[in-house]
Amino acid sequence: DAGITQSPRHKVTETGTPVTLRCHQTENHRYMYWYRQDPGHGLRLIHYSYGVKDTDKGEVSDGYSVSRSKTEDFLLTLESATSSQTSVYFCAISEGTFLQETQYFGPGTRLLVL
Amino acid sequence: AQSVTQLDSHVSVSEGTPVLLRCNYSSSYSPSLFWYVQHPNKGLQLLLKYTSAATLVKGINGFEAEFKKSETSFHLTKPSAHMSDAAEYFCVVSMNTGFQKLVFGTGTRLLVSP
Repeated sequence: DAGITQSPRHKVTETGTPVTLRCHQTENHRYMYWYRQDPGHGLRLIHYSYGVKDTDKGEVSDGYSVSRSKTEDFLLTLESATSSQTSVYFCAISEGTFLQETQYFGPGTRLLVL
Repeated sequence: AQSVTQLDSHVSVSEGTPVLLRCNYSSSYSPSLFWYVQHPNKGLQLLLKYTSAATLVKGINGFEAEFKKSETSFHLTKPSAHMSDAAEYFCVVSMNTGFQKLVFGTGTRLLVSP
């Protein structure tokens, strides 16, 4: 499972509240990713990180921010949650050499915004 | 731009019969291709990957896929379905644009009946 954990695994929150999801890895991987999964869309990239304090946007980054202050932790924050952010969120790491990478995924966090 | 089309949203088979899940891709250069499986309420697990070595790729649990450049296809097969194969399967193409960007298909749900 590439040593990836996510917390919390389930969360229910109200519209307008801030939410932070945590991804933790134990194997010192440089690259980490946050995706969301919605029916009919597969997985879509929200943000990614290529090192401590180095992050960039993915294709669906609006309404989300990330931080990476330690190699092992990658945090995803919804500053003011909306119902459209109800989704399952997956963290991933990649390992392997350039052009030969493979991504491995965490168990997911199911978020419901009421 | 890279894209992936999974030709069937649902596939139903009987236990012991062959499985075929179809995937076509579009890529402007030689891609890396993956199949991931997701069991209900679980994360994504790597089944197999193609990275320009042998065109017939063997994965876990008896699955294999064949890369056909002339047909831009990467179909997933298994000779004999098992009940435990019931899950959602994602075909994924990788873009290497400084980081590994994955483009997911919309998934195929495999149903296996006794």
